[in-house]
Amino acid sequence: QKEVEQDPGPLSVPEGAIVSLNCTYSNSAFQYFMWYRQYSRKGPELLMYTYSSGNKEDGRFTAQVDKSSKYISLFIRDSQPSDSATYLCAPNFGNEKLTFGTGTRLTIIP
Amino acid sequence: DGGITQSPKYLFRKEGQNVTLSCEQNLNHDAMYWYRQDPGQGLRLIYYSQIVNDFQKGDIAEGYSVSREKKESFPLTVTSAQKNPTAFYLCASSITGGSGELFFGEGSRLTVL
Repeated sequence: QKEVEQDPGPLSVPEGAIVSLNCTYSNSAFQYFMWYRQYSRKGPELLMYTYSSGNKEDGRFTAQVDKSSKYISLFIRDSQPSDSATYLCAPNFGNEKLTFGTGTRLTIIP
Repeated sequence: DGGITQSPKYLFRKEGQNVTLSCEQNLNHDAMYWYRQDPGQGLRLIYYSQIVNDFQKGDIAEGYSVSREKKESFPLTVTSAQKNPTAFYLCASSITGGSGELFFGEGSRLTVL
């Protein structure tokens, strides 16, 4: 079993839709749950992260962690064409040696 | 502006040649990393270094070598022993401790002809 599993997509949705991106992980010791966004031919950048379980909201983005089921989600409300990118989840112990999901390629159609 | 600079952006290599990818950071971060990205496989860790003159193998170190002589610099050499070197290579840095946030460069795309 892979340490982090993420549906690679691709996922295409119309502008304004709510997007749900998900990952599952196997190591119950992970404490930080990060989401990176990567535009085409660029390096990833940190979008947001949560510590332990619960929700965190930042503008149109909400990150959710359910440690009991080892499931992490990223929701995007009112999606925009500028949200078109690959989204990578990265649960970790807080020691910088991150394990990344394969990434989900998202396209928002105007 | 603080950040990570990778060069070259695009590189072509003939089989059997070694190539070196440059990575420089001015963020004053202690830790630096090299990842490889292939379609459908996400980011895989090649090497990382948490302090000058010390580095550790990641998950796919075979066929690669690194050095860390200066805090700001962490070059990666792709040797002829690397069987499938064509990929997108990403360098990153971070502070030690904390959440583990990585700051990435823009990447170097290596193509073996």
